[in-house]
Amino acid sequence: QITLKESGPTLVKPTQTLTLTCTFSGFSLSTSGVGVGWIRQPPGKALEWLALIYWNDNNRYSPSLKGRLITTKDTSKNQVVLTLTNVDPVDTATYYCGLSYFDTSVFVYWGLGILVAVSS
Amino acid sequence: AVQLTQSPSSLSASVGDRVTITCRASQGIRSALAWYLQKPGKAPKLLIYDASTLESGVPSRFSGSGSGTDFALTISSLQPEDFATYYCQQFNSYPITFGPGTKVETK
Repeated sequence: QITLKESGPTLVKPTQTLTLTCTFSGFSLSTSGVGVGWIRQPPGKALEWLALIYWNDNNRYSPSLKGRLITTKDTSKNQVVLTLTNVDPVDTATYYCGLSYFDTSVFVYWGLGILVAVSS
Repeated sequence: AVQLTQSPSSLSASVGDRVTITCRASQGIRSALAWYLQKPGKAPKLLIYDASTLESGVPSRFSGSGSGTDFALTISSLQPEDFATYYCQQFNSYPITFGPGTKVETK
């Protein structure tokens, strides 16, 4: 059974760094073609793709986040970590992690999401 | 970046209705399009990928079509559990982009 779960702070202050962890089971991020991505959704708005890290350490990022994003993986812990620097209230959103296969960017499985508010 | 537009932004329908949602890409994306369903407070669920391939376990009343720039998601007979918001997503090139969504509401 494949599961993913996001964890981290639910409230951060402006200018701080947000660190979220996606802990997964049922698959390995060392398997060829596998990727874990991050997608967010501001309240009442559409989905926005943020980043994707592949089995071979290939990283892809949304250019709209202008270098504020970093993703890393720990294969032994079955975790992917998203770091977003210099957060702003517009970064308030539900953050999801998702699993993709076969070197595609189709998210077959999703975590439940974590709502993060950016406020002073 | 490839921009996706969806039509309509919302629609009202009844159980049993045939419903079609369209997604248009700002440039050709071959068949690299997926469709997701999202219910309030829940994560999106993959319905279709590669424009027309039904994800395992998804009911056959859902179908997808199109290639290049114009795509469609059709629900042949709307069921109560299908009232939700639908998103298209292109994965032909980075950055990955999603459409703005289409909300299917009960009439």
